[in-house]
Amino acid sequence: GAVVSQHPSRVICKSGTSVKIECRSLDFQATTMFWYRQFPKQSLMLMATSNEGSKATYEQGVEKDKFLINHASLTLSTLTVTSAHPEDSSFYICSASEGSGPDPIYDEQFFGPGTRLTVL
Amino acid sequence: QKEVEQNSGPLSVPEGAIASLNCTYSDRGSQSFFWYRQYSGKSPELIMSIYSNGDKEDGRFTAQLNKASQYVSLLIRDSQPSDSATYLCAVNRWSNNNDMRFGAGTRLTVKP
Repeated sequence: GAVVSQHPSRVICKSGTSVKIECRSLDFQATTMFWYRQFPKQSLMLMATSNEGSKATYEQGVEKDKFLINHASLTLSTLTVTSAHPEDSSFYICSASEGSGPDPIYDEQFFGPGTRLTVL
Repeated sequence: QKEVEQNSGPLSVPEGAIASLNCTYSDRGSQSFFWYRQYSGKSPELIMSIYSNGDKEDGRFTAQLNKASQYVSLLIRDSQPSDSATYLCAVNRWSNNNDMRFGAGTRLTVKP
């Protein structure tokens, strides 16, 4: 159980184009989904938190107009990198939390396999 | 001070030995603690979660939490070459909502 998928797994695009990454919870309903970015040899950096039907909450320093997040259903969240530039090249990872337990501190985050974005 | 600190390593142990990974965190109000394993080019996978002081054992893995010292560790017994990976310590501060912060990770190599 608790499987999260991401699509695509790898994408190469030209500078200035937009890229959409999908994150799906396959066998549970995800109340909350998270988007992380990881540069080589660095740790995961949280970009934003999204709750189904609500606007995403972005971390300080993350441009919400550049990284558009939509969490339209309990099983799907999308991240769109608009007008991508080479510095946006990174490993983008989503995670999902079910949030159905009696105490949210016990909610675990289940990670998708990641999407490697390369902007030429 | 970083929110979650780990020794970057690399930590090298021989096969069959105990690997000890350490993590400290700065927010005393943190409530949930996790260890993730990440292989190169892959996303993290959850190994252990721990919420209260003391030890928690799961197979070859033991997590230890000391909230007074703001310290959490992971012991891997009978280390195997397949355990070679980067281990990420994650702390959920639950300030207003789900607020997980990751350490930079410790790279572990288990030599056959």
